[in-house]
Order: sequence, then C-alpha cells, then structure tokens
Amino acid sequence: GNSVTQMEGPVTLSEEAFLTINCTYTATGYPSLFWYVQYPGEGLQLLLKATKADDKGSNKGFEATYRKETTSFHLEKGSVQVSDSAVYFCALSVTQGGSEKLVFGKGTKLTVNP
Amino acid sequence: DAMVIQNPRYQVTQFGKPVTLSCSQTLNHNVMYWYQQKSSQAPKLLFHYYDKDFNNEADTPDNFQSRRPNTSFCFLDIRSPGLGDAAMYLCATSRDFGLSSYEQYFGPGTRLTVT
Repeated sequence: GNSVTQMEGPVTLSEEAFLTINCTYTATGYPSLFWYVQYPGEGLQLLLKATKADDKGSNKGFEATYRKETTSFHLEKGSVQVSDSAVYFCALSVTQGGSEKLVFGKGTKLTVNP
Repeated sequence: DAMVIQNPRYQVTQFGKPVTLSCSQTLNHNVMYWYQQKSSQAPKLLFHYYDKDFNNEADTPDNFQSRRPNTSFCFLDIRSPGLGDAAMYLCATSRDFGLSSYEQYFGPGTRLTVT
C-alpha cells in the first residue's frame, strides 16, 4: 500500500542549528512528494514539493530531495529560527479511482529555542 | 485574508448527538476535502467533492456525511458521534485535481470533543 513514515518527535533545537527531519515512503507508481507545515493555531501550509526523482524542492531555506533509490524525502534546513517552530508533515500523492489524494505521515513537532 | 474558514474552531457535543461542522472558501476552488486528524496521528481523508460530485473514501464510516450546497460551502455531519470521533477536522480546497500542479489550501481546523 501507500504510506509515509516520519521520524518520531518532538525535536528540540537551538536557534541556528542544522535541522533534518527524516521521511521515507512506500508507494506504487511514482508519487509526488510534499512537506507541509502547521504553525500553532493555523491550518497546514504547503512548504515544498517535488514531482519526480532527483527533484529538489526548496522554500524559506528548507530543502528536500526526492530520492527514489532510498524512497526518501528528508527535510533539511541549515540554520533554524525560533519562527520555524511548528509541526512538519511529509506526504505523498496517490491516484485512486480517477482522483488524487494526499497520504500524510504522523507529523514531527519542532521547537526552536532562542 | 482568510481563504479557507472553518467554524466553529472548537465544538463540544454529547455522545450520540448529531453535530455539523462548517467550512467555507473564498478561493472559488472546484475541490473541497474533509480530513480527520486524531491526536498524534496523520490527517486521514474522509471524502471530497469535485464541484457537486461526491467521493467517499472506502473506509469512511457511514456515520459521517457531507453536503456541499454551493461552491463556497461544505459541511461535515456526524450523525451519532462516538467517543472515538473526537479529533481535529480539517477542511481543504484545491482549484482542480493534480496535486503536482494544484496546491491544497487548508483551514485551521475544528477540534471536536465528545462528552
């Protein structure tokens, strides 16, 4: 089946630290891959995406590369800020019955301390 | 500007008492989705509408229904809430199908408590 596995949280870092949040997936076919972010009290927002193998998605200093050989899409940022504190969700797209939907991981809560 | 609005943000209902959650959008998007997110779990798609066409996920309980009276509004009805239905309910929209091209926009969610 189709599934997404994210590293367990919570993750606590100091400001300017390097961030990695691991994400691996299982899918039939060639899904698109996504990272969503949920800030406190808000809805999920698309952070970045990659639609084919070896694509790199990037936004706001975050990056993730679609690695087909390792079925991974790890999220990285070189220097985190307090404002990056949020829950991060990895997701893949699945096409079933003519419609497309997202399958999410459980989310990883990141806290960045000053 | 709010684009996907969910009301109320917090809802308390009694076991077995019908409850309706509301979602509205100012984006004029064709597709509207409802997700259920239980504590520390992944959001799970319940159903979606493409315009007026309704698509129910195979494992969505019959207890959950939805209505979309017009492009802007979509409702989630829980006919007889059980304690296991306590969760965050997320509404999302997209202009069309094709997630590689059309982003899903999420509302802030409604947290449902069942007493």
